[in-house]
Amino acid sequence: EAEVAQSPRYKITEKSQAVAFWCDPISGHATLYWYRQILGQGPELLVQFQDESVVDDSQLPKDRFSAERLKGVDSTLKIQPAELGDSAMYLCASSLVPGGAYEQYFGPGTRLTVT
Amino acid sequence: QQQVKQSPQSLIVQKGGISIINCAYENTAFDYFPWYQQFPGKGPALLIAIRPDVSEKKEGRFTISFNKSAKQFSLHIMDSQPGDSATYFCAASIAGNTGKLIFGQGTTLQVKP
Repeated sequence: EAEVAQSPRYKITEKSQAVAFWCDPISGHATLYWYRQILGQGPELLVQFQDESVVDDSQLPKDRFSAERLKGVDSTLKIQPAELGDSAMYLCASSLVPGGAYEQYFGPGTRLTVT
Repeated sequence: QQQVKQSPQSLIVQKGGISIINCAYENTAFDYFPWYQQFPGKGPALLIAIRPDVSEKKEGRFTISFNKSAKQFSLHIMDSQPGDSATYFCAASIAGNTGKLIFGQGTTLQVKP
């Protein structure tokens, strides 16, 4: 069964350092989402791509976060500089097409700890 | 108005019992309500979903009940099993929109043998 791949699975970084996460969606899925899940809370959308274009980045802290999906396939989420409050699980999801009624398939996530 | 409120935060049920998790929303534009199940170390996985044109949807031991007038929906797990122990999230979105899911805060379910 096809899965969303994410790496690394775990990342520990010091405050003010740069960190990057990678996501490879299910083959053929045009829509890619990055969510942040703080411990004990539900995931919150950071950014959504349709192919290589950003559809929604209204909740992305653009002063420190950036995301790209250059060829419309895999994607990278970067944080620079990292802050203590960025400690969370970063989840990538993909769906075949955009639209709320289509299933989003989640990857296993990257657990970020900022010290 | 974009929030989805979920309760309880945690739930302990005996094997064979019924687990019930409730969610409430404010935005009447929401028209797609999925439930996701998340095991430790894994990403959420779609469990079951409902559109507001029906009041109930059942898949195996899992049932969603939907009350459009009250803007509430709930997940019922019948004959709960230890393997159901996980965190459950309700969510809501606008089907014709971008697909952005608004998640509840999550319920950690423990089913005791």
